[in-house]
Amino acid sequence: QKEVEQDPGPLSVPEGAIVSLNCTYSNSAFQYFMWYRQYSRKGPELLMYTYSSGNKEDGRFTAQVDKSSKYISLFIRDSQPSDSATYLCAGTVNQGGKLIFGQGTELSVKP
Amino acid sequence: GAVVSQHPSRVICKSGTSVKIECRSLDFQATTMFWYRQFPKQSLMLMATSNEGSKATYEQGVEKDKFLINHASLTLSTLTVTSAHPEDSSFYICSARGTGMGTGELFFGEGSRLTVL
Repeated sequence: QKEVEQDPGPLSVPEGAIVSLNCTYSNSAFQYFMWYRQYSRKGPELLMYTYSSGNKEDGRFTAQVDKSSKYISLFIRDSQPSDSATYLCAGTVNQGGKLIFGQGTELSVKP
Repeated sequence: GAVVSQHPSRVICKSGTSVKIECRSLDFQATTMFWYRQFPKQSLMLMATSNEGSKATYEQGVEKDKFLINHASLTLSTLTVTSAHPEDSSFYICSARGTGMGTGELFFGEGSRLTVL
């Protein structure tokens, strides 16, 4: 079993839709969770970073962590074609620790 | 955010040759750099972690003699793929973290696509 599981998609939605991206993880010691966005043939860029359980909002993006069910989510409101990319979730045990990435979900937002 | 530059972005080489990829932190001092490998539609797989001035720590299954990592300064780390073979063809990405930066502050380079013929 992979430490972080993510549905690879592809996920296709119309412009303006609410997108829900999800990951599950198996390591109960994970404390820090990240979402990265990766455009084709580019390096990942950090979108959201959360510590432990709870929600965090930044503009159109909301990250949610439920440690009891080992489930992390990223919601994108009012999705735009420019949001089309691969979204990678990641978890780590401690500050400065090794990040374990999910496979990434490919998202396509159609105009 | 901070900038990490990777060079070259694309490289094609013949089987048996060695290829060097550079990773530079442009506006901060990178105390720790990480090297990842990514196959198409696959996750980033950590290959090794390097701290400035010390030997890299390799992940299980990664051949340290094949993937030579040097982190000689606070702004530069290099990955050398020695005696490259077609199965080494992949997307190699570095990331860097500076002093005082938290777990979330990990900045990635643009990646280097290696094709071994």
